Amino acid sequence: GQQVMQIPQYQHVQEGEDFTTYCNSSTTLSNIQWYKQRPGGHPVFLIQLVKSGEVKKQKRLTFQFGEAKKNSSLHITATQTTDVGTYFCAVRWTYKYIFGTGTRLKVLA
Amino acid sequence: EAQVTQNPRYLITVTGKKLTVTCSQNMNHEYMSWYRQDPGLGLRQIYYSMNVEVTDKGDVPEGYKVSRKEKRNFPLILESPSPNQTSLYFCASSLQSPDPGLETSSTDTQYFGPGTRLTVL
Repeated sequence: GQQVMQIPQYQHVQEGEDFTTYCNSSTTLSNIQWYKQRPGGHPVFLIQLVKSGEVKKQKRLTFQFGEAKKNSSLHITATQTTDVGTYFCAVRWTYKYIFGTGTRLKVLA
Repeated sequence: EAQVTQNPRYLITVTGKKLTVTCSQNMNHEYMSWYRQDPGLGLRQIYYSMNVEVTDKGDVPEGYKVSRKEKRNFPLILESPSPNQTSLYFCASSLQSPDPGLETSSTDTQYFGPGTRLTVL
């Protein structure tokens, strides 16, 4: 079945440093979504990418979809303590959703 | 307020004692899902429903049942819980079912409930 590999599993950064998480698939994806889950909270939708090579920005967050539509990344510039949480990618597979294992971000003040 | 609600939020039970976790959404969403979240494994889809009376298995359906008799409700039933079902459970809904034939749809956005932490002793 469809699998999505997400790396790294954990990332600790100093406040102000950049952060990137990656999702990779062995098959071509129709789209990819990104979610953020704060500690003790529930996943919250951030964005959806659908086009090859697509780049979208939300303030300090930059989302990319690879040219071959097999990988995606989320980059945070100049992290803040409010960025703490776990970031998940998710892909549609037929009528199901497959989530990556998540990257847990810790920001040290 | 548009939301997905789950009850209970916390539950400690014993092996074999049937339980139901309720999920309700007030957004008139067609698609609803149940996920379990375990450390290192991310979110795994248990069951999903594309509309009333239409349900299907996700990736980890063993030991679970669901029903969708009304559009707003999607309960998760554990007929005989076991310790390996100790987990954090999330219900989610989206406006429409993901369409494999469509490249993009804003209706794919999933809204998650607050979660139910279940411990089976």
